[in-house]
Amino acid sequence: DIQMTQSPSSLSASVGDRVTITCRASQGISNSLAWYRQTPGKAPKLLVYATTRLETGVPSRFSGSGSGTDYTLTINSLQPEDFATFFCQQYYSSPLTFGGGTKVESK
Amino acid sequence: QVQLQESGPGLLKPSETLSLTCTVSGGSISGFYWGWIRHSPGKGLQWIGYISYSGSTFYNPSLKSRLTISLDTSKIQFSLTLSSVTTADTAMYFCARVRTGAYYFDFWGQGTLVTVSS
Repeated sequence: DIQMTQSPSSLSASVGDRVTITCRASQGISNSLAWYRQTPGKAPKLLVYATTRLETGVPSRFSGSGSGTDYTLTINSLQPEDFATFFCQQYYSSPLTFGGGTKVESK
Repeated sequence: QVQLQESGPGLLKPSETLSLTCTVSGGSISGFYWGWIRHSPGKGLQWIGYISYSGSTFYNPSLKSRLTISLDTSKIQFSLTLSSVTTADTAMYFCARVRTGAYYFDFWGQGTLVTVSS
């Protein structure tokens, strides 16, 4: 199984801040990486797929980058709805696996 | 907008069988793959499995021996059955739609909490 190591597990930030979250795969995943945002009681929301592609309707403050084993989600100008948990998922090989999550809290 | 809603019992005893149903609205069930994911404090997010619109199933090997996923196109539902549950199966269970041609999830349900306790 491909292990996805996500960091940090939590961070504190303020509205307007730039936030960066990283996922490292235990082997290369050829850009087969998605990012999601989850707030308590709500359905997880797809933000980015194929490492860099923004899902339709997702604000442009979100961006993804990376290659090989290392991938990054960047949020420019954090908004109130971004105080949530973010997680990555590789879909390069089965079984599909997820990162441990990053909880973004208000500073 | 596609919406998914999980339903099923919230509390089970060890050795019982878990049965969950996901009802899809706002879109067709045909032509897509449909999946289950769970989230527990101990194991984080875990992919359980998915089913194609034609009924082909793909399971996480760690659960395969206890797992069945089925599809009811007439009811626009798909279901999960997990036998011989233990406390390790306590988790929030999500259903989701698989993006065509790739294996990430583009629409999710809100999740349903399943607790296994004696």
